[in-house]
Amino acid sequence: GAVVSQHPSRVICKSGTSVKIECRSLDFQATTMFWYRQFPKQSLMLMATSNEGSKATYEQGVEKDKFLINHASLTLSTLTVTSAHPEDSSFYICSARRDSTTEAFFGQGTRLTVV
Amino acid sequence: AQSVTQLDSQVPVFEEAPVELRCNYSSSVSVYLFWYVQYPNQGLQLLLKYLSGSTLVKGINGFEAEFNKSQTSFHLRKPSVHISDTAEYFCAVSPPGSNQFYFGTGTSLTVIP
Repeated sequence: GAVVSQHPSRVICKSGTSVKIECRSLDFQATTMFWYRQFPKQSLMLMATSNEGSKATYEQGVEKDKFLINHASLTLSTLTVTSAHPEDSSFYICSARRDSTTEAFFGQGTRLTVV
Repeated sequence: AQSVTQLDSQVPVFEEAPVELRCNYSSSVSVYLFWYVQYPNQGLQLLLKYLSGSTLVKGINGFEAEFNKSQTSFHLRKPSVHISDTAEYFCAVSPPGSNQFYFGTGTSLTVIP
């Protein structure tokens, strides 16, 4: 199957700093990528849908100024958590689809800890 | 609008016993159906998918699922589980032509030695 690579897998940062997470589709072009947040023992919460070359579409309740998403190319989307606080600590997962007839391929996830 | 219900949040089962993880969905249009597995601190891995055709779908690791349109269900089954099957399982639907995925709340499968 297709491969989606997410980096870093773990990051610890100080409160008030910013953290960037990368999501790459390694062997296919992804017009659309998705960013999820997952709390312990819970399902995935869709944060935003990232479209190449245009602004991301954020889900209700997600602060677009705090969670900056850039989809600069067909194989790369980034999520930047700005001015991180301890409550932003979570597991963030990206996914990508070739098109609407295929499954979503997921990255390995990023465990963010803000101290 | 679409929604996915996974009725069982936790399923403990003894090793080598069969298991069924339930998934029901609600949709006003036809949908594609998926089952994913998530191991601790990892992303999601596709187990199987139903797009069209035969309603019985076989996936990886010995799992299979059956699409039942009248009952709007897509239950996941395995005849004999292993310790390594202990993980979180998510059912998801996606309307054809849409990039959106709608996930259930997940079922935690614990295989007991």
